[in-house]
Amino acid sequence: GENVGLHLPTLSVQEGDNSIINCAYSNSASDYFIWYKQESGKGPQFIIDIRSNMDKRQGQRVTVLLNKTVKHLSLQIAATQPGDSAVYFCAENLNSGGSNYKLTFGKGTLLTVNP
Amino acid sequence: KAGVTQTPRYLIKTRGQQVTLSCSPISGHRSVSWYQQTPGQGLQFLFEYFSETQRNKGNFPGRFSGRQFSNSRSEMNVSTLELGDSALYLCASSLREQGHGELFFGEGSRLTVL
Repeated sequence: GENVGLHLPTLSVQEGDNSIINCAYSNSASDYFIWYKQESGKGPQFIIDIRSNMDKRQGQRVTVLLNKTVKHLSLQIAATQPGDSAVYFCAENLNSGGSNYKLTFGKGTLLTVNP
Repeated sequence: KAGVTQTPRYLIKTRGQQVTLSCSPISGHRSVSWYQQTPGQGLQFLFEYFSETQRNKGNFPGRFSGRQFSNSRSEMNVSTLELGDSALYLCASSLREQGHGELFFGEGSRLTVL
């Protein structure tokens, strides 16, 4: 899961297994959440998003689950492939005053897929 | 269509110098956000510009500044560089202001301060 310390949490899975990456967000008023994937040497890439009026959303091979009670977000990747190896970030949409919002990112989780 | 373009991709500066980084958003996108990424702190929000106005600012010192031009291209400037400014600086664009949809990131400008 996410870690506020200096060390990046890691998750190592076998190719073909399902992966679950967890994230704890900070603000109960956050209304929009996004998962990003960042491969080495590249910028973050959008995977899937979810609004706070939903608790589950599915994409292609990915599912995001939102538990507002405990302020927890998870990303499930089905049939994980070597190309899924990357750092995964969750981001929450925080109100920073008035109508201003900013996306605040978690520290990230390194996913390694073993062939 | 072309993605977010950042220049330069890599640069090396020495302490005390200043640096300007450039970002060209996706065509039609009016919001440009800047983030600093370091191994210890992760992705930290610097500021967001929308229609040439700074909408939002993170917790960075005044040495960090930015601007946006009428064509939505943006620049950020860091003056009096410190060793701790070494980082990957990421630019992201979106159609609308932050909080209303996906951010599209560039590949970043990697700054090393010696």
